[in-house]
Amino acid sequence: KAGVTQTPRYLIKTRGQQVTLSCSPISGHRSVSWYQQTPGQGLQFLFEYFSETQRNKGNFPGRFSGRQFSNSRSEMNVSTLELGDSALYLCASSPAWGSTEAFFGQGTRLTVV
Amino acid sequence: AQKVTQAQTEISVVEKEDVTLDCVYETRDTTYYLFWYKQPPSGELVFLIRRNSFDEQNEISGRYSWNFQKSTSSFNFTITASQVVDSAVYFCALSEAPGNTGNQFYFGTGTSLTVIP
Repeated sequence: KAGVTQTPRYLIKTRGQQVTLSCSPISGHRSVSWYQQTPGQGLQFLFEYFSETQRNKGNFPGRFSGRQFSNSRSEMNVSTLELGDSALYLCASSPAWGSTEAFFGQGTRLTVV
Repeated sequence: AQKVTQAQTEISVVEKEDVTLDCVYETRDTTYYLFWYKQPPSGELVFLIRRNSFDEQNEISGRYSWNFQKSTSSFNFTITASQVVDSAVYFCALSEAPGNTGNQFYFGTGTSLTVIP
């Protein structure tokens, strides 16, 4: 059974650009959550998608957005990148909304220069 | 408010020593779940254990054991006879009343464990 797949693994972007990260959950899982991990702020919840709908959102500016497709794959987008957006972005796969099981991918390491 | 505190930032032990990682949490919910994850250098968060708020039984899995005490709001993690492969960052996390907040996790700041051969 394949795990959670995040692509790409590494990205370097310039300030002001936008970026899209992808997450494919475990087969059969329908909920995808996103987290940002930085040395200063630790692991912070971005948002959660279930059945192609955003169900919950963390305290991040509107530059951070996401979506989920009918096959449960999810993408997150960050527009107008800032240096502070440099982080490891982790995706978590869960069977369903509120299942309390979460399996994480290896993350996408984003560097903004 | 929800909060998870891991007061130990870094711990170093010599191989075969026992080590305990502390976790203290805050929540107003009566139904909640506690977790421990391991993060090796590769970055992936590896699930170790989930415990719900109604089950205070301690759990042992091989060299790992967990002590959940609601009276002190603590969920501590002990590694017995540590090995070099245990070197990683360990995170404690809290998830509340899933029906309200889905799978949102509140993470501690992590404890970096180094096991010296």
